[in-house]
Amino acid sequence: GAVVSQHPSWVICKSGTSVKIECRSLDFQATTMFWYRQFPKQSLMLMATSNEGSKATYEQGVEKDKFLINHASLTLSTLTVTSAHPEDSSFYICSARDPRTSTDTQYFGPGTRLTVL
Amino acid sequence: DQQVKQNSPSLSVQEGRISILNCDYTNSMFDYFLWYKKYPAEGPTFLISISSIKDKNEDGRFTVFLNKSAKHLSLHIVPSQPGDSAVYFCAASEGSNFGNEKLTFGTGTRLTIIP
Repeated sequence: GAVVSQHPSWVICKSGTSVKIECRSLDFQATTMFWYRQFPKQSLMLMATSNEGSKATYEQGVEKDKFLINHASLTLSTLTVTSAHPEDSSFYICSARDPRTSTDTQYFGPGTRLTVL
Repeated sequence: DQQVKQNSPSLSVQEGRISILNCDYTNSMFDYFLWYKKYPAEGPTFLISISSIKDKNEDGRFTVFLNKSAKHLSLHIVPSQPGDSAVYFCAASEGSNFGNEKLTFGTGTRLTIIP
């Protein structure tokens, strides 16, 4: 199956700093990647759809100026949490659809645990 | 508005028996459904999917059933194994035909297999 990686797997930062999370498709090219957030014991909530070469599409209620998404190449999307605050502490997961298949199956990265002190 | 619902937050099943996880949805535009398995602090792992033109899809120990009229799908795992203990999410999309690849997830069901 398709492989998606994320880096870092966990990060601790001070309040007010910015954190960048990378999402890579390792064995396929992804024109579209997705960023999710999961709070403890809750479902995955889609934050935004990252489109290669164009602006990301954000879900309602997600601050685009706070969660900056850049999809600079067909294998890399980045999520930058700007001026992080403790309430941004969460588990962030990216996914991508393998265009080699004709289905909507998305393959997920291992996730990044962000803790803001 | 929770468009995909998993009403059982947890389920315990004896090893070797059948595990049945249920999922209901409200959006009639959904036409592709998936099940993911998730361990703590890891990303979801794709298990099995079904398109709305089918009512059943089987892959090894995993079978997904879809009842479109009832807007209900279920995942059957048989026989259940201890390694199946995890949180299971169902997800739905409106299909790539419409160019909408977004997945909407249910709230998850924690499955515990008792040895």
